[in-house]
Amino acid sequence: GAVVSQHPSWVICKSGTSVKIECRSLDFQATTMFWYRQFPKQSLMLMATSNEGSKATYEQGVEKDKFLINHASLTLSTLTVTSAHPEDSSFYICSASPEWAYEQYFGPGTRLTVT
Amino acid sequence: GENVEQHPSTLSVQEGDSAVIKCTYSDSASNYFPWYKQELGKRPQLIIDIRSNVGEKKDQRIAVTLNKTAKHFSLHITETQPEDSAVYFCAAGYYGNNRLAFGKGNQVVVIP
Repeated sequence: GAVVSQHPSWVICKSGTSVKIECRSLDFQATTMFWYRQFPKQSLMLMATSNEGSKATYEQGVEKDKFLINHASLTLSTLTVTSAHPEDSSFYICSASPEWAYEQYFGPGTRLTVT
Repeated sequence: GENVEQHPSTLSVQEGDSAVIKCTYSDSASNYFPWYKQELGKRPQLIIDIRSNVGEKKDQRIAVTLNKTAKHFSLHITETQPEDSAVYFCAAGYYGNNRLAFGKGNQVVVIP
């Protein structure tokens, strides 16, 4: 149980375009979902906390107009990287917390490359 | 906000030996401390966690200890095996917002 999926697993886009990444909890309802960014051989950097039906809470230094987060249902959150630039290239991972537990379960991640 | 420090950054152990990773945290309000294992190119996987009302928790070859007074917690892996080779992240958080602060990670290498 507690499976989280992410789509796509990798994406290459051109500079200036937008990319949407989906995060789904497959076998549980997630009150809260989180979006992280991970650079090679580095830790997980929390970008934002997403609660179903409300606006996301962004961490300091994360541009909310660039990284649009929508948590439309208890099983789906999306991250849209708008006007992507090469410096946005990274590994983006989501996680979800079940309503009945405190643990966070991670998706497999999305490798974004902006050319 | 919460700040989590993790040491050492890299740990090499002989197969069969024990590995210990230590983390310290800064926010005394933190009451939830999970450990995640991340293999190369894969997602972090929750391997064990501990809450502040408990001092120690064990699951087969893995154990976690918590010292609230000193604000540190440690991961202990006994009888290490090659498949234990991975990056291990500690984290700290508290009830109310589920938000976690992660340490920088430890690369554990088990030498056969």
